[in-house]
Amino acid sequence: EAGVAQSPRYKIIEKRQSVAFWCNPISGHATLYWYQQILGQGPKLLIQFQNNGVVDDSQLPKDRFSAERLKGVDSTLKIQPAKLEDSAVYLCASSLLAREQFFGPGTRLTVL
Amino acid sequence: DQQVKQNSPSLSVQEGRISILNCDYTNSMFDYFLWYKKYPAEGPTFLISISSIKDKNEDGRFTVFLNKSAKHLSLHIVPSQPGDSAVYFCAASLGGGADGLTFGKGTHLIIQP
Repeated sequence: EAGVAQSPRYKIIEKRQSVAFWCNPISGHATLYWYQQILGQGPKLLIQFQNNGVVDDSQLPKDRFSAERLKGVDSTLKIQPAKLEDSAVYLCASSLLAREQFFGPGTRLTVL
Repeated sequence: DQQVKQNSPSLSVQEGRISILNCDYTNSMFDYFLWYKKYPAEGPTFLISISSIKDKNEDGRFTVFLNKSAKHLSLHIVPSQPGDSAVYFCAASLGGGADGLTFGKGTHLIIQP
């Protein structure tokens, strides 16, 4: 069974530019999560989808971050405009039932 | 306010011995706890979990203990192997695991030969 796919793996941009990340969850997994992991910290939940509806986006900085999950499968996370403090690894995870979440390899974003 | 705390940034253990990783939490509403293992440049990998209705769960070399009154859980690895060297994250969830996870900062476990 294929795991969670993410692209790109690495991205370098300048501040005030825009960037988008893509995630393809494990087939059949209804719940999809985006996490932000800053160096030296644990992952922090940004947004949770159930199928194509948002369950929790309370920690998403909505002035610059947006996310969508069209057709309840793939998802994109966008940052516009990026700030220096957005430098982090962005992790996508999915789960079939409540319980274990399976993580992708992440996208490492560097904002210069 | 950090709701899940891992107070040891690193831990060094000799191969073959027991590794004990600790985690404390402050939110008494958490009802599901998980441990993840992370290698560099990879995403976290699920290891083991425990529901708040239990106080112990075992899977091979890995055992998780939960002390609800102390709001403390620990992960025991025995015997420790070189491949266990990684960063270990403790995570907690509401809603029986359906909600997003709240992670600690991680403990870097180093297994010495």
